[in-house]
Amino acid sequence: DAKTTQPPSMDCAEGRAANLPCNHSTISGNEYVYWYRQIHSQGPQYIIHGLKNNETNEMASLIITEDRKSSTLILPHATLRDTAVYYCIVRAVSEKLTFGTGTRLTIIP
Amino acid sequence: GAVVSQHPSWVICKSGTSVKIECRSLDFQATTMFWYRQFPKQSLMLMATSNEGSKATYEQGVEKDKFLINHASLTLSTLTVTSAHPEDSSFYICSAEELIRDSKETQYFGPGTRLLVL
Repeated sequence: DAKTTQPPSMDCAEGRAANLPCNHSTISGNEYVYWYRQIHSQGPQYIIHGLKNNETNEMASLIITEDRKSSTLILPHATLRDTAVYYCIVRAVSEKLTFGTGTRLTIIP
Repeated sequence: GAVVSQHPSWVICKSGTSVKIECRSLDFQATTMFWYRQFPKQSLMLMATSNEGSKATYEQGVEKDKFLINHASLTLSTLTVTSAHPEDSSFYICSAEELIRDSKETQYFGPGTRLLVL
């Protein structure tokens, strides 16, 4: 029972901002939005997470809508190394992470 | 971010043998670690949750006698695949949970162990 909906694939030109959407219309008040990515044949890499405020770190920005029903992960200047499957996961503290099918992002040279 | 290591990174074994995979949190203590399995072209599936000093909690459909988990310290969890068969061939990934600011918890993943059973 997926709590999130993501497009199966997206392309982005190298050097441009990659905007990955995620719908989580049934999110509960105590659930955070987490983003991970998995580069081929590697373990998932933590990117960012947030509750209701927008968040930014050295990797990405997370924009959460005011009603918290959707969010967008922004990679400001995509490089070829950002090609990966990106997973959006909603999770309350102490709950397990449940991975869906994610978005396969391909950065085009 | 925090670093989690796994050893070995890949292993090939004969059917019927047992394989042990180690998962270590290198720069933080993890009271909880997780073991996942990923088959080709599929997403990660949680196998079990491992708590330091107590028995692991297995997900439905995962045989606890086949996949033995030991979490003897705050930085080490091991997964032993007993009597491995070709259908156990998969990518095994561990993660460790770090408690960070404002009680937010974040899981950090190891690089994975690719198991091939002949």
